[in-house]
Amino acid sequence: DVKVTQSSRYLVKRTGEKVFLECVQDMDHENMFWYRQDPGLGLRLIYFSYDVKMKEKGDIPEGYSVSREKKERFSLILESASTNQTSMYLCASSPPPLGYTFGSGTRLTVV
Amino acid sequence: GDSVTQMEGPVTLSEEAFLTINCTYTATGYPSLFWYVQYPGEGLQLLLKATKADDKGSNKGFEATYRKETTSFHLEKGSVQVSDSAVYFCALIRNDYKLSFGAGTTVTVRA
Repeated sequence: DVKVTQSSRYLVKRTGEKVFLECVQDMDHENMFWYRQDPGLGLRLIYFSYDVKMKEKGDIPEGYSVSREKKERFSLILESASTNQTSMYLCASSPPPLGYTFGSGTRLTVV
Repeated sequence: GDSVTQMEGPVTLSEEAFLTINCTYTATGYPSLFWYVQYPGEGLQLLLKATKADDKGSNKGFEATYRKETTSFHLEKGSVQVSDSAVYFCALIRNDYKLSFGAGTTVTVRA
């Protein structure tokens, strides 16, 4: 069964910390995505990547960066965590153009 | 830009009741349309999809028809079960192959 695995289900971090959220897929997909999910706002795209070492900003990239050194791994980085980044973070991968597979999500709390 | 609007919840139903969740879209051209479901504590799963006008997607007793004339993709199920309690997201795929989601509708089915 194909999988997208996010390394942590729950994280608690302090304001100002550098935070890494890891995502690994085993489907050899070119496309990978990071979304955040907030009540009443649905899912909003933070960053995406179409290939190794390639990244593009999504709709809400401010305060985030990403890294894709290997095809199967896509990391989301919060350079200096803030309380307004408390959210559920969802990683997804897809072969172009359809067929998104999502991970189980990481619920991040910044205190 | 391309977007979807879905009815706000929460929706509470009794078992065996009829469920409808409205979804309308705004897009240039004719995007593919999706319904995703998120069960408690899990990531998103693709429920059904339709890729062109008049297509009907169906899965697990749920159905949705791509209506070009009303720019709609309403989700329906004739007899819900407690296990259908979840958050449902309408989505479309944009020209750049990224998904754009609605805000989500929380459905609770009571025994």
